[in-house]
Amino acid sequence: GQNIDQPTEMTATEGAIVQINCTYQTSGFNGLFWYQQHAGEAPTFLSYNVLDGLEEKGRFSSFLSRSKGYSYLLLKELQMKDSASYLCAVKNTDKLIFGTGTRLQVFP
Amino acid sequence: GAVVSQHPSWVICKSGTSVKIECRSLDFQATTMFWYRQFPKQSLMLMATSNEGSKATYEQGVEKDKFLINHASLTLSTLTVTSAHPEDSSFYICSASIAGGPKNEQFFGPGTRLTVL
Repeated sequence: GQNIDQPTEMTATEGAIVQINCTYQTSGFNGLFWYQQHAGEAPTFLSYNVLDGLEEKGRFSSFLSRSKGYSYLLLKELQMKDSASYLCAVKNTDKLIFGTGTRLQVFP
Repeated sequence: GAVVSQHPSWVICKSGTSVKIECRSLDFQATTMFWYRQFPKQSLMLMATSNEGSKATYEQGVEKDKFLINHASLTLSTLTVTSAHPEDSSFYICSASIAGGPKNEQFFGPGTRLTVL
């Protein structure tokens, strides 16, 4: 089967750093994506990892360990607008299998 | 670049009627389009994968006779929800990918909110 797990909800304070974890067990692996989704809107692309290690893009970084089936998304200098759902998705051939999603609430 | 549109953005219909949702890639040719469904506070669930000019591949548990997918051109795919019922009320999102792209990234449409009364 395909299993992609994330914490359901997280809270953090404006200006802080938050790490959202994702563990996966899938029949195939062609890369891992992180998306941000605001309520009622489509997901927007944040990051992509296919090799082990850290990818940094501004305030957002994503890490992958393929041997451990593990990734995390790191958000620095949190802003109120970062309150959203964060979706981890594993690419298996040409399909994206989405995790359960993590709802992040940022407080002032 | 890589913009995907959906139409309509929202629709309300009576139980038993059919609803068609369009997904268009505006500035690129998409060899593959994907249809997802998302229930409130849940993640995206892939319904089907559609390739231009061929029959769609449906995920397990998705009724192909109820959710008709047509991918007639490299820029347009349609999803028709036939004989809609209240339990079909959901947020339907399409995505399109460019064949041979560096990471075969999927570009998502803005979604269509379907409410069946």
